[in-house]
Amino acid sequence: AIRMTQSPSSLSASTGDRVTISCRASQGISTNLAWYQQKPGKAPKLLIYGASTLESGVPSRFSGSGSGTDFTLTISCLQSEDFATYFCQQHYTNPWTFGQGTKVEIK
Amino acid sequence: EVQLVESGGGLVQPGGSLRLSCAASGFTFSNYWMNWVRQAPGKGLEWVANIKEDGSEIYYVDSAMGRFTISRDNTKNSLYLQMNSLRAEDSAVYYCARDPGEGSGYSDYWGQGTLVTVSS
Repeated sequence: AIRMTQSPSSLSASTGDRVTISCRASQGISTNLAWYQQKPGKAPKLLIYGASTLESGVPSRFSGSGSGTDFTLTISCLQSEDFATYFCQQHYTNPWTFGQGTKVEIK
Repeated sequence: EVQLVESGGGLVQPGGSLRLSCAASGFTFSNYWMNWVRQAPGKGLEWVANIKEDGSEIYYVDSAMGRFTISRDNTKNSLYLQMNSLRAEDSAVYYCARDPGEGSGYSDYWGQGTLVTVSS
């Protein structure tokens, strides 16, 4: 199975900050990468698929980039509602696998 | 509005069985692959199984192979997960999730989840 590794595991930031989360695949996955946001006690919410395609209704401050093995999720101007845990997931081949998550906390 | 509502979770002893259900509404269920994804308490997400629109293709994570069975009833707009020989490590919130297109592999809509606890 393809292993997905996110970094950092957690970060502290302030409202208005630019935040970057990295995700690395153990083998090339082209651009078959999705990003999800999850808040405590809630189901994950799809933000981005195909590495850079924004899901409908997701604010434009979220963006994704990368291909092959290295990917990035960027939040350009952190808002209060963005404090959550973020997961990457490869959708290149079964079994679909997730990163371990990055928790974005308030500084 | 797309809705996915899971049910069937609960407390079960190791070695026991449980059947999860997911009721879908707000979209044409028979046109979509469906996934089960789980999350152990305080842990990350793990994809468990998926099933093609007509049930003709099914895939499982290795740890579920031979113990879990995913199925669907398109006449009832329902997805199921039969879980046998349950282990403590199967304890998790189980989410039903829709694959937006032809087994694309990611999920655009998720249910609220149902908690499975395997303990004596």
